[in-house]
Amino acid sequence: EVQLLESGGDLVQPGGSLRLSCAASGFSFSSYAMGWVRQAPGKGLEWVSAISGTGNPTYYADSVEGRFTISRDNSKNTLYLQLNSLRAEDTAIYYCAKGRSHGSGIFCEYWGQGTLVTVSS
Amino acid sequence: EIVMTQSPATLSVSPGDRATLSCRASQSISINLAWYQQKPGQAPRLLIYGASTRATGIPARFSGSGSGTEFTLTVSSLQSEDFAVYYCQQYNNWPPPMSTFGQGTKLEIK
Repeated sequence: EVQLLESGGDLVQPGGSLRLSCAASGFSFSSYAMGWVRQAPGKGLEWVSAISGTGNPTYYADSVEGRFTISRDNSKNTLYLQLNSLRAEDTAIYYCAKGRSHGSGIFCEYWGQGTLVTVSS
Repeated sequence: EIVMTQSPATLSVSPGDRATLSCRASQSISINLAWYQQKPGQAPRLLIYGASTRATGIPARFSGSGSGTEFTLTVSSLQSEDFAVYYCQQYNNWPPPMSTFGQGTKLEIK
């Protein structure tokens, strides 16, 4: 059974930093692209970042480019998202997702339960 | 950027009836489309990929169709647990941020 368990969400002040983690199990972690998708309160879904199975390449939404860093440790079956220079508009639930390749892209085959990041003074 | 437009924003349907949700892409995406279901307080769940292939464990009352720019998710004989928000996602353009989600359709009980 595929399981994705996020952690690290918290209340942080504007300009602050956080590190999110996603512990994966139930599949061959290093074989799959992974990503982070966020959902602001009462809003829809937005891709934040994605990473290939090997860790390179990585991809970012324009809104987080230069502030967020995605990484993975395949020896620990864990995905990370480093969030720096946080802004109020980064407030959201952050979901970890297992990617599955199909056609010309990747969709989110499994999702974690999410971790809440709140940016406020 | 490919814009995904879902309609209607809210759909009111009675249990046991059929629901038809639409998703339109601003340019052709072949069949590179997925549908997700999200219930309140829960993470999204994959329903359909490749426009029409049901994901593992998804009941047969969920079906997807379409190609190019017009797509439909049909839920036949609605059950109480089907009332939720549904999102489409195009992955014809990859990687993020070029892969985009629709704004969602809320399926509510009539």
